[in-house]
Amino acid sequence: QVQLQESGPGLVKPSQTLSLTCTVSGGSISSGNYYWSWIRQPAGKGLEWIGRIATSGTIDYNPSLKSRATISVDTSKNHFSLTLSSVTGADTAVYYCARGITGYSIFEPWGQGTLVTVSS
Amino acid sequence: DIVLTQSPDSLAVSLGERATINCKSSQSVLYSSDKKNYLNWYQQKPGQPPKLLIYWASTRESGVPDRFSGSGSGTDFTLTISSLQAEDVAVYYCQQYFSSPITFGQGTRLEIK
Repeated sequence: QVQLQESGPGLVKPSQTLSLTCTVSGGSISSGNYYWSWIRQPAGKGLEWIGRIATSGTIDYNPSLKSRATISVDTSKNHFSLTLSSVTGADTAVYYCARGITGYSIFEPWGQGTLVTVSS
Repeated sequence: DIVLTQSPDSLAVSLGERATINCKSSQSVLYSSDKKNYLNWYQQKPGQPPKLLIYWASTRESGVPDRFSGSGSGTDFTLTISSLQAEDVAVYYCQQYFSSPITFGQGTRLEIK
């Protein structure tokens, strides 16, 4: 079955850019009608959807990120990525990647999540 | 944005008893063309990602025990655990995808009384 795994630096300095990758295994990122999403969760808090990308190129972001987020996909490497610019302490969170069915953002499966701390 | 408000924020229920969690949406999430409510429920245990329990408001995900059920339509939804088990201790979230941005409820923490 399909599994997702996030990777990237665990510590980012304020004002710099956060970069994460989600590697898909057990299936091709291009097969089926799926959207690939990023979701984050500050410690002890709720879930915030960041955005999603389809391998067709369609991308959708949460306006709350004020255009700081960029999501891309590399089908040759079977992964998709997130960059978040101009980070502050408010961006400290566990970042999850997840798969959703096109037309129905039913998130399953999820990656295990990776903690990113923004600190100097 | 569609705001999902869950109630209560936390809940303590005795083993074997019923647990009920509510999710109220700021606008209807019933899609007229397919008559589906675009509302999901997730369970999150400490240190784990959320796990899909219920989609389309009332369809149980494969492998989810039948003590979990979802109901409701339009703006008011309920997740019910018919007979609480120790392994059900978790935080539960509702999520809508009727319109972008996708949003989640604030979560309900379920504990054993």
